[in-house]
Parts: sequence; structure tokens; C-alpha cells
Amino acid sequence: NAGVMQNPRHLVRRRGQEARLRCSPMKGHSHVYWYRQLPEEGLKFMVYLQKENIIDESGMPKERFSAEFPKEGPSILRIQQVVRGDSAAYFCASSPDRDVYEQYFGPGTRLTVT
Amino acid sequence: DAKTTQPNSMESNEEEPVHLPCNHSTISGTDYIHWYRQLPSQGPEYVIHGLTSNVNNRMASLAIAEDRKSSTLILHRATLRDAAVYYCILPLYNAGNMLTFGGGTRLMVKP
Repeated sequence: NAGVMQNPRHLVRRRGQEARLRCSPMKGHSHVYWYRQLPEEGLKFMVYLQKENIIDESGMPKERFSAEFPKEGPSILRIQQVVRGDSAAYFCASSPDRDVYEQYFGPGTRLTVT
Repeated sequence: DAKTTQPNSMESNEEEPVHLPCNHSTISGTDYIHWYRQLPSQGPEYVIHGLTSNVNNRMASLAIAEDRKSSTLILHRATLRDAAVYYCILPLYNAGNMLTFGGGTRLMVKP
């Protein structure tokens, strides 16, 4: 029973490039959450998605960031025109439904912007 | 949303019990208390949750005060692998279960 998978595990981008982070939830899970952890800080919620729907994006920066969870395939967090301040660990979590008590986290993608 | 307060860090000796406290004085009657931990360079991991009664699972025990304004995560025999940051969280269920991570408690385990 594979856990939450994220790829790539490490991503290096130059300023101005685009970063695409992928998250495959656990089998049977239709709810996906993205969190960001800046260096030496706690995790901050970014966005909550169900298949083909964004439910809550209150934690997403207003510009350059977008997320999707298509009917088929992984959830994608996309960051356009990256800046050095985007360097962080991005974690994805999944759950089977909204009212479950436990979120399962992936290993994260560590983005470095040079 | 209810706020939690935890000590920044704690130390323990290996194979001794560890009691990690959490204050949540503004907790509401329907707020569940969740604990997650994050090992170095890994994603968070669910540990335990509870509402009113004390809870036990294979990882830990959760002791909840009678007035629910505080709780304690108990690791019965700390191992080196338990060295992590432990987060006490009251999820916002009406907002889709998003988890709000505070600073947590960094647990250091000495051999």
C-alpha cells in the first residue's frame, strides 16, 4: 500500500523559471492538501483540493501560485516566475474524505531557487 | 480558531517516558485535539487524536484534562527515533480540516 508520493524530491530552479511539483495521494484518497515549510519555520496550509475542484485556497499567495487536482493523474502545484523567497519544502497530504481525522503526508519536495 | 501553546523544546533520556504538554485554553466543545510529529527531513506523521477521553495507540497515549484546556502526549519509552518536532493541533473542521502547525516542541532524546 504505497503512501503519498511526491516528485521530484529536490528541485532547483533559477529565478524566473517555473516549478511544477507533483503529488500522488494514497490509493482511495480523493482529498489533497498542500503545505509549505519555509526554512526554520512551521508548516503553513496553502490549498485544499478534491478531484477537479479547489475547495479552499486561502493560504495560497495571490500571484504566481496555482494548484490543480485533475480527474486523472496527480495533483500539481505550479509556481510561475520563481523568486528566492519561494525556496522551501512543499508537502502534500491526502485523506479519504473531508471528515477523517488523519492526514497522510508525503516526503516533500525541496525547492531551491538560485 | 483555538490556539495551542507548547514548550519550544524538551529533552529526554532514551527508554524513559516523555510527557509533552499542550495548552489550548480557548478550545471549543467540538474541537478535537490532534498530535503530529515531524522527524528531521521528513513530512509530518499523525500520532494520535482525541476529544474528551484519554486515548492509547501503538505510538503514544493522549491524556486530556477534564476541562479540556490542556492535554499531554505521552511516549512511554522514548527511543532515538522519537527525536522530532511534536505538534499539538486543533484542526479547523469547518474549513476543510486544514491543519495549522504552530512552533511545536522539539524533542531531543539522549542515549
